[in-house]
Formats: sequence, C-alpha cells, structure tokens
Amino acid sequence: EVQLVESGGGLVQPGGSLRLSCAASKFTFSSYWMTWVRQAPGKGLEWVANIKQDGSEKYYVDSVKGRFTISRDNAKNSLYLQMNSLRAEDTAVYYCARWLSYGRLDYWGQGTLVTVSS
Amino acid sequence: QSALTQPASVSGSPGQSITISCTGTSSDVGGYNYVFWYQQHPGKAPKLMIYEVSNRPSGVSNRFSGSKSGNTASLTISGLQADDEADYYCSSYASSSPPYVFGTGTKVTVL
Repeated sequence: EVQLVESGGGLVQPGGSLRLSCAASKFTFSSYWMTWVRQAPGKGLEWVANIKQDGSEKYYVDSVKGRFTISRDNAKNSLYLQMNSLRAEDTAVYYCARWLSYGRLDYWGQGTLVTVSS
Repeated sequence: QSALTQPASVSGSPGQSITISCTGTSSDVGGYNYVFWYQQHPGKAPKLMIYEVSNRPSGVSNRFSGSKSGNTASLTISGLQADDEADYYCSSYASSSPPYVFGTGTKVTVL
C-alpha cells in the first residue's frame, strides 16, 4: 500500500530554519501532485502548500509565502518543505499527503512535529 | 479565505444517525462538487472518508454518506459505532487564495 513517511521535525528557535522530508513508496511518485498540511496542537487542519508533478507549479497559504518552500526530488521519491524565519505560530504537526484532482487527499503520512520556541 | 464552518461537537448513541454540516460560500463549497470529508482519531493522521461530495473510497463503510445543498455540505453517519468517535473535517477546493480550505472540525462523541 502507499506509504508516506515524514521526518525532520524538532525543536527550533524563533527565526530559525528546518527542512522537512517526506519519503514516498509503493506508488509512482512522479505522477502525482503532493501537498503539506499542518495541524497546530489541539487545533484544526490547515493546508500549507502544493507542488505539481514536475515541480513547475507551487502554491502556498498566505501565512507562509516567502518563508516556506516546497520542493521534490522525483528520482529519490521525496517531498520537502524548507521552512525559514520560523514563528511560534508555525508550531504544528506537519503531514505530507498525496493530492488527487481538486483536493482529494487520499493518502497521508503519520506526521512530524515542529515546535518553534525559545 | 476563512475556514469552512462546522459545529464544534455532535453526539449520538450507538445505532443512531448523526449529521455534520459544513458551511462555506459560493467560492468554495457552493461553487464546486469538490467537497471532501476526513476522519481523524486522536494522535493519528486524517483518513479520507468521502470525496467529491458523496463518493466513498474503497474500504470506507457505507454507513458514511455525503451530500450538498447550496453552500452547505453534510456528512451523515448511520448506525453509529464506538469507533466512529473521532474528529471530522470537511474540505473544499476554492476559487480564491488559498485554493483549498478545511473546515473548523467537529468532534463526534458516541454516548
């Protein structure tokens, strides 16, 4: 079955950077849009960013534009989220998910926790 | 683009039916048949339960059904079971930025 495994989360100070990774397996990674979704502690889900199959199109929620960069390496079946200038409000569990047409997120990883605190 | 509006909590007894609403605007829920529902148990990743308003992915019980009227979508769980106790989120494609919005989430309690 499709597998998505996130890694790279941890504790970082405000203003710091972190790079999340999502390793994909058991499906043709290069054929799908991919997405990052986050969930602050005790809060709801928030869509963060999308990336097209070949990386030529990327979309972000306004609150992370200019600070976060989504990317992918199809040769390594991996999705990334480079997070810079981190703020306390970026504290959340970050999930990667496979994106089908118009937002059908059919497979999700288990999530990785990012904590931004001094 | 604001989050879609869901009731904070819904409860029911085993065997009963419950319905969760998800209210948006003509720019999201009302404008497209791209409404989705996710179930999330504590500490777990969300799971897709309904896609494109009323379709169930393979493996999802037919006790779960979805519908839409105007700017409001609904998820109905019939024959409520203990394992249905979880948080439920709707989501929708949107014509504005961001192009994808989630609902505020509903905690379902099985009494």
